[in-house]
Formats: sequence, C-alpha cells, structure tokens
Amino acid sequence: SQQGEEDPQALSIQEGENATMNCSYKTSINNLQWYRQNSGRGLVHLILIRSNEREKHSGRLRVTLDTSKKSSSLLITASRAADTASYFCASETRMDSSYKLIFGSGTRLLVRP
Amino acid sequence: DTGVSQNPRHKITKRGQNVTFRCDPISEHNRLYWYRQTLGQGPEFLTYFQNEAQLEKSRLLSDRFSAERPKGSFSTLEIQRTEQGDSAMYLCASSFRDRGSYEQYFGPGTRLTVT
Repeated sequence: SQQGEEDPQALSIQEGENATMNCSYKTSINNLQWYRQNSGRGLVHLILIRSNEREKHSGRLRVTLDTSKKSSSLLITASRAADTASYFCASETRMDSSYKLIFGSGTRLLVRP
Repeated sequence: DTGVSQNPRHKITKRGQNVTFRCDPISEHNRLYWYRQTLGQGPEFLTYFQNEAQLEKSRLLSDRFSAERPKGSFSTLEIQRTEQGDSAMYLCASSFRDRGSYEQYFGPGTRLTVT
C-alpha cells in the first residue's frame, strides 16, 4: 500500500484535554500536511510543515516533523467537541512533479463534552 | 470563490453499468487531482491533471477508469463496467501551486455504491 501509518487509529478524550496523533511516512518529502475530515464531508487543510522545519504552530495546533524517523505528530490543545473528526496526515513526495499527496490511514478523534 | 464542487454527491448503480462523475475546481486552480477513499482509510491518489494534460495515473486506475479535463476547467471521471469493488468515495481536489500555496482544496466527494 502507498499509505502511511497513523496511530492511534481511534482516540477518545474529554473536552479540554489535549489530543496527540502520530504519523509515519515512507518516502522523502517536500512537506507534510494534516487534514481534517468530518463525517460525510470533504477534507479540510489544517497545517503544513516543510521538510526543513521541525515544529510549527497554528492556533491550538502544534505539528512536529522528524525526517530522520520519517514521522510527524499533531497536537490539538484544549480540545473542543467540535474537534471531533478524522485526522489524516498527507506527505507530499519529492519524487515526482505531480505533487500528489500520500495519506495516512487516519485517526478518529472523539471529544466528549 | 465557491470552492470545489462535485456532482452527483451520491450514485447507486448496478454492477456492469457505466458511471460518470464531475468535478468543478476552484476557477484559477491549474492542478486537479482525483482520489478514492474507502471506509476507514485515507484517500488514495488516482490521477492528476495540470491544466488539460493528464500527467500521472496511479496503478489503481485500471483500464475501466478514464478521466478527462477538457480546456483545463472541469474534469470528469468515468468508470466503465462497474464492479462492487469500485464502491468508494471519489474525491476531487485542486490547487494552484505556482502561487506558492501547497495545500489541496477538496470537494465533498461522490459516494458510489455498486450493487
């Protein structure tokens, strides 16, 4: 499979807690992106980290990248019920000109009110 | 900017029938992608257009699948002689990387059910 791996597959937390999701990928990358998908809806871009960056913040989101381990993590702080969704990492490969995204298998996050 | 739109949103068809899906990207976006997503999995790349040229196709795209993007605007994805294994969500995305924006904008998808 071309897909990367994500863990955990599912995560259930209480509102206000932090959520951490991990992602591993297989090839050299230009950048790594995180997307959110609500039930029955399309994917929405959350944050992008370039291959020469190690950490990036955007609001309540913090993403890290370790290219030596081919891994990334997404931290959502002070979670809200509205954060309930599936989260996917997507690596943009360096190997071709299409700049296609290779997605992970996703983490299903449930934030309990 | 109305975002990426896809039609139809849902399609139920019998095995062996042909189906066609349409994607209208964001108007100034020159790159258009098709992905397929099955239940519980992340999207998988199918094919890519830069303007009207189809520049890459995944091995997932069998000869029953064909995609077009005439005049570099909307795109269609046709599946001939559908099989039950074709049941999935078909997602379209567009981007305009030349402006330094690397994110892809996804449509809501077309859910195909083959009975």
